[in-house]
Amino acid sequence: SAVISQKPSRDICQRGTSLTIQCQVDSQVTMMFWYRQQPGQSLTLIATANQGSEATYESGFVIDKFPISRPNLTFSTLTVSNMSPEDSSIYLCSVEVPANYGYTFGSGTRLTVV
Amino acid sequence: QKEVEQDPGPLSVPEGAIVSLNCTYSNSAFQYFMWYRQYSRKGPELLMYTYSSGNKEDGRFTAQVDKSSKYISLFIRDSQPSDSATYLCAMRKYSGGGADGLTFGKGTHLIIQP
Repeated sequence: SAVISQKPSRDICQRGTSLTIQCQVDSQVTMMFWYRQQPGQSLTLIATANQGSEATYESGFVIDKFPISRPNLTFSTLTVSNMSPEDSSIYLCSVEVPANYGYTFGSGTRLTVV
Repeated sequence: QKEVEQDPGPLSVPEGAIVSLNCTYSNSAFQYFMWYRQYSRKGPELLMYTYSSGNKEDGRFTAQVDKSSKYISLFIRDSQPSDSATYLCAMRKYSGGGADGLTFGKGTHLIIQP
């Protein structure tokens, strides 16, 4: 199955700043997915990133707050903009694994906003 | 009502016991069902993937889907301390083209007592 490298693994940021999270896959994939895992909550899909087109955002998430880039078939970035303490969460990227119909996840970025 | 309901636990059982983990869902559009295991500070790891109603077995794990009741289960036989983790159920709709993101339950924190 695909191996995902996600960076940074964790960060502590000041409110009002932005953080860009990188996701690198060891094989070409059509779609990449970004999730948020807040303390005590479900993993929630933020957006789907398809190479060569605008990302598709889920209800409650907007491009201005979470801009996404997808420059090629193995890489994507998610930026958390103008951060507030409510953005403290784990952010994960994921790709589909067609061989077993499941999805593989990166190890996540643990973000704390102070 | 959330689309996917899962008791967060914690669920504590003695080593060697059979563990039963469950999720209910409300949206009949969900067609693909997955179970993930997540260790602390790690990304979710796919355990089981099922599509049709019925049972699917893989080693000590059995996944069960009852679409008529909108109910899925994961059974772990001969549970071991290394099984202590958070177990997440996840579901996906069938869109007919391309991959879709997953909808997750909150996860059940499982503790296997030595």
